[in-house]
Amino acid sequence: SAVISQKPSRDICQRGTSLTIQCQVDSQVTMMFWYRQQPGQSLTLIATANQGSEATYESGFVIDKFPISRPNLTFSTLTVSNMSPEDSSIYLCSIRGGKSSYNEQFFGPGTRLTVL
Amino acid sequence: AQKITQTQPGMFVQEKEAVTLDCTYDTSDPSYGLFWYKQPSSGEMIFLIYQGSYDQQNATEGRYSLNFQKARKSANLVISASQLGDSAMYFCAMNLGGGYNKLIFGAGTRLAVHP
Repeated sequence: SAVISQKPSRDICQRGTSLTIQCQVDSQVTMMFWYRQQPGQSLTLIATANQGSEATYESGFVIDKFPISRPNLTFSTLTVSNMSPEDSSIYLCSIRGGKSSYNEQFFGPGTRLTVL
Repeated sequence: AQKITQTQPGMFVQEKEAVTLDCTYDTSDPSYGLFWYKQPSSGEMIFLIYQGSYDQQNATEGRYSLNFQKARKSANLVISASQLGDSAMYFCAMNLGGGYNKLIFGAGTRLAVHP
């Protein structure tokens, strides 16, 4: 399967600031996604990162709060803007396609964010 | 509405024994995929196994097998010969066919393997 890396692996940030999380894949992939896992909860899809066009956001998530870029088929960024303590979560990049079977979906190692 | 239900918040098993983690799903779409993931305390989500709704045979991957009962809408994960390293959260998830890419997750089951 493809190798997915995320940076940073963890961060502690002050409220009102922004953090950009990077996701790098070692092969070209069709589909890339960003998920959030709040403490003690399951995963929720934030958006689908579309190469060359605007991301597709799920209900409850907006571009102003979570801007996403995907300049090519191996890289994407998620920015968490104007952070509050409620944004403390694990943020995970996910892929389908590429070296994996199209039906299989893999996750990066995650970024553990704490907002004070 | 599509939904995944995991009714076991926590399970424990003796090392080397088999354990079954329950998962039921709800969808009216005939085309869907079912996934199991392992999440250790480090937070990463490790893909374990996939079952497509049209697959005739139950999926297996090493010590993991998926007991797929379509009529009952269940997709239980069976871990054989449990190891201490299997202690983690386990999530069942589903996506729908036709290019619908969203994974819907259950609440998870925390598995503890005792020596």
